[in-house]
Amino acid sequence: KAGVTQTPRYLIKTRGQQVTLSCSPISGHRSVSWYQQTPGQGLQFLFEYFSETQRNKGNFPGRFSGRQFSNSRSEMNVSTLELGDSALYLCASRRTSQGIGNEQFFGPGTRLTVL
Amino acid sequence: GQQLNQSPQSMFIQEGEDVSMNCTSSSIFNTWLWYKQEPGEGPVLLIALYKAGELTSNGRLTAQFGITRKDSFLNISASIPSDVGIYFCAGPLGGNTGKLIFGQGTTLQVKP
Repeated sequence: KAGVTQTPRYLIKTRGQQVTLSCSPISGHRSVSWYQQTPGQGLQFLFEYFSETQRNKGNFPGRFSGRQFSNSRSEMNVSTLELGDSALYLCASRRTSQGIGNEQFFGPGTRLTVL
Repeated sequence: GQQLNQSPQSMFIQEGEDVSMNCTSSSIFNTWLWYKQEPGEGPVLLIALYKAGELTSNGRLTAQFGITRKDSFLNISASIPSDVGIYFCAGPLGGNTGKLIFGQGTTLQVKP
C-alpha cells in the first residue's frame, strides 16, 4: 500500500508570492492533517480536513488555507509569503476523523524556502 | 497553550546501550504516540498507546502510557546505528481528533 505522497518535495519562493502544496493520502484514508515544522517552533498543527470539510484549525494566520477534494486529496495554500514561512510542511492521513486506533501517517514533507 | 515537555533534548550514546526518554503534559491524554523522524523524511509512527498503564513493545522499542495519563516513556534496548534520528512524543487534542500536539523531540546519536 502506497504511503502519503506530497508534491513538490522542494520549493523556493520569494516574499509576497503565494504557494500551493499538494498531498495524496494513503488509499482509503479520508482525513488529512497539515503541520508546519521549524527548528524554533517544532511541529505545529495547521488544520485537518475530512469529507472536504475543515474539522480542526491551529493558530495560524488567515494566509494559510487548505481544501480537500472528493477523492480525499488535499492542498494547502500560503499567500503573501513571509521569510518566517520557510519550513517543512508535513501532511498526515488517517482513516477517519475520530476513533481510537486511527492514527496519523505522515508524508515526506515539502521543504519551502522563502527568500 | 498546551505543551508536551520531552526530555532529554539530545543523547549521544554508544552502540549497544539502552536509551530512555520521556514526555510529560499538564493535561490528560487519551492516546500517546511515539514517532521517529530521520533527515529529509516525515515522522514515522513507532508505537501507539491507548490505555493508562499500558506497556507496548515494537521490537527493541518499549513504550508506556503513564497511569496519571499525563506522561509517557519510550525505551530503546541495545541501540544500533540505525536508531539515529529524532524521536517525538505526541498526543491528540480534544479526544481523538487529527490535531496532534508534539513534544520538542529527543535527538539520538549512536556511536558505533
